[in-house]
Amino acid sequence: EAGVAQSPRYKIIEKRQSVAFWCNPISGHATLYWYQQILGQGPKLLIQFQNNGVVDDSQLPKDRFSAERLKGVDSTLKIQPAKLEDSAVYLCASSLVQGGSPLHFGNGTRLTVT
Amino acid sequence: LAKTTQPISMDSYEGQEVNITCSHNNIATNDYITWYQQFPSQGPRFIIQGYKTKVTNEVASLFIPADRKSSTLSLPRVSLSDTAVYYCLVGAGNAGNMLTFGGGTRLMVKP
Repeated sequence: EAGVAQSPRYKIIEKRQSVAFWCNPISGHATLYWYQQILGQGPKLLIQFQNNGVVDDSQLPKDRFSAERLKGVDSTLKIQPAKLEDSAVYLCASSLVQGGSPLHFGNGTRLTVT
Repeated sequence: LAKTTQPISMDSYEGQEVNITCSHNNIATNDYITWYQQFPSQGPRFIIQGYKTKVTNEVASLFIPADRKSSTLSLPRVSLSDTAVYYCLVGAGNAGNMLTFGGGTRLMVKP
């Protein structure tokens, strides 16, 4: 089966600019996750979707980050405006069901904010 | 929300068995224990998952004692390609019990 697809692979922007990341999960996977991974740290969950509904977004900085999964399939994560501390790898993952189902990750988008 | 504690790093040699232990004292009844492997510039990759006792697959074994407050990932006969960061993840993936990664264990396999 095809894995989780993410694009772009790399992105460099200046602070205060906006950026968007796209994720296409594995076909049939109902749950989708966005994680932020800062260099040298473990991934930090930003938001979790179940189909097109939000399960948890308690760690999403909502003043600048937004995410949507309108048709319950692919998803977009946006940052506006970006800050230097947003430099990280943004990982998308999907799982077949919510709870007890292994996560399948894409290779991420590496964002550099200058 | 169960939190996890793992050793920051471990060294081993090719052909040895490696055991990485994760502590999760506040594990909840419906939490699963899942281990992931991550190479540089890649997303984490699922290794093994368990709920209690022992689970084995083609690449690893997972030992979980009866109180479930810890778990041990066992990698038999490691090779250089097993050099990676290993994460223990505890949770149920439901609202209020999210799947949160800790800092992971950086395993270095030497020739």
